[in-house]
Amino acid sequence: DVKVTQSSRYLVKRTGEKVFLECVQDMDHENMFWYRQDPGLGLRLIYFSYDVKMKEKGDIPEGYSVSREKKERFSLILESASTNQTSMYLCASSQFGSALETQYFGPGTRLLVL
Amino acid sequence: GDSVTQMEGPVTLSEEAFLTINCTYTATGYPSLFWYVQYPGEGLQLLLKATKADDKGSNKGFEATYRKETTSFHLEKGSVQVSDSAVYFCALSGESNDYKLSFGAGTTVTVRA
Repeated sequence: DVKVTQSSRYLVKRTGEKVFLECVQDMDHENMFWYRQDPGLGLRLIYFSYDVKMKEKGDIPEGYSVSREKKERFSLILESASTNQTSMYLCASSQFGSALETQYFGPGTRLLVL
Repeated sequence: GDSVTQMEGPVTLSEEAFLTINCTYTATGYPSLFWYVQYPGEGLQLLLKATKADDKGSNKGFEATYRKETTSFHLEKGSVQVSDSAVYFCALSGESNDYKLSFGAGTTVTVRA
C-alpha cells in the first residue's frame, strides 16, 4: 500500500521559532508537494519538488522554505513562525510530473503558532 | 488564472439520500478535472477524474461528468451511506500546468443514519 507519513499530527510552537515539518513517502515517487489547508480556502500549494535537491515555488511560498536531500523525504521549514501560519499542512507525492498522476496525501500536521 | 468554485457546505443528509455537490471551473483550454475526498482524520485521496469533455469519472458509486459547455464537474451519488461522511474537494489541472492542482474550498458532507 502507498504510504505518505508526516512526522507529527499536532504541533504547538511560539512566534519566532524555527519549525520543521517532515514528510516521508515509501513509493519511490519523483514528485513531492507541500500544501496548506485552511477553512474556506481549500488547499494551496506552498512548494513542489520534482527531484532531489530541486524545488519550485507554489502559490504561497512566502515565509516558507523546503529541503529535499533524499528522494523519499521532503521537509517544510518555517524560518520564523508567525501566527498567520497556523494551519493544517498536507504533504503529497506523485509518480511523475503530470497532474494526471494521482497525488497521495499524508494525514496532515495541524500547526498552532502562539 | 485557473480556479474552481464548489458549493459551500456543510451538507447534511440522511442515509440513502441523493447527493450532489456542484463544481464549476474557470480555465483556458481543456483542463483535467478531479474530485478528492478527505475522510475524518485522514489525508486526501483521489475519488475520480476526467481528462476530456464528456468524460464521466466514477468510483465507489460516485459519478461526475466533465461538461465543457457549462464548465462544470458536479459530483453525484444516488444513495449515500454514513461512511460517505467526509470533505469533498473539486480540483483542476490546467493545460499549461503539468503538475499543479487548483483546489476548491471543499464541501463537508455529513450523512446521518
